[in-house]
Amino acid sequence: AQSVTQLDSQVPVFEEAPVELRCNYSSSVSVYLFWYVQYPNQGLQLLLKYLSGSTLVKGINGFEAEFNKSQTSFHLRKPSVHISDTAEYFCAVSESNFGNEKLTFGTGTRLTIIP
Amino acid sequence: GAGVSQTPSNKVTEKGKYVELRCDPISGHTALYWYRQSLGQGPEFLIYFQGTGAADDSGLPNDRFFAVRPEGSVSTLKIQRTERGDSAVYLCASSLLGETEAFFGQGTRLTVV
Repeated sequence: AQSVTQLDSQVPVFEEAPVELRCNYSSSVSVYLFWYVQYPNQGLQLLLKYLSGSTLVKGINGFEAEFNKSQTSFHLRKPSVHISDTAEYFCAVSESNFGNEKLTFGTGTRLTIIP
Repeated sequence: GAGVSQTPSNKVTEKGKYVELRCDPISGHTALYWYRQSLGQGPEFLIYFQGTGAADDSGLPNDRFFAVRPEGSVSTLKIQRTERGDSAVYLCASSLLGETEAFFGQGTRLTVV
């Protein structure tokens, strides 16, 4: 079984400051890793994903994440945030098993941008 | 439509009643997933369809929950004898076979009173 831990339930950040949202996972098999964003009153949208290859992945809206196998982490970063980044961010994992890509999600981190 | 469509967007029902939640996936997507998101939590997997068959229903909490996808497109999640603890946002997602990106609908907010 796999699990995802997002230690920070809320992160307030000043506009144009950098941000890091932490994600750690646990799994006994190889995994794929994802970050989803949920804007107010909207559905989940994929920000970025790690499947294999380069451990640094870039996503939409200037976000990036780094896969660290030894620390079982997949932290999300952005060098300069904007008001429009205010949202709930979910880290998720799936087993790298063709045919069933069900996701296990963390509890989410609410990012609030302070003007 | 271009995205995953879920209806209704909101449903209020009385404890003990039966409800059906509908999901229209993106055209051509053979994989379909149902998740449940309780307040303050991340989505939790319920069931996965590959075509018409339920390939993985390990997330269904009990036998009051059932889902179908008779023609391999639209899916209906059915909840019998609803309980207040069933109140949550029910999310549907679809993807192409073998693709890792799932596209989510906006969800159905179910409130059991």
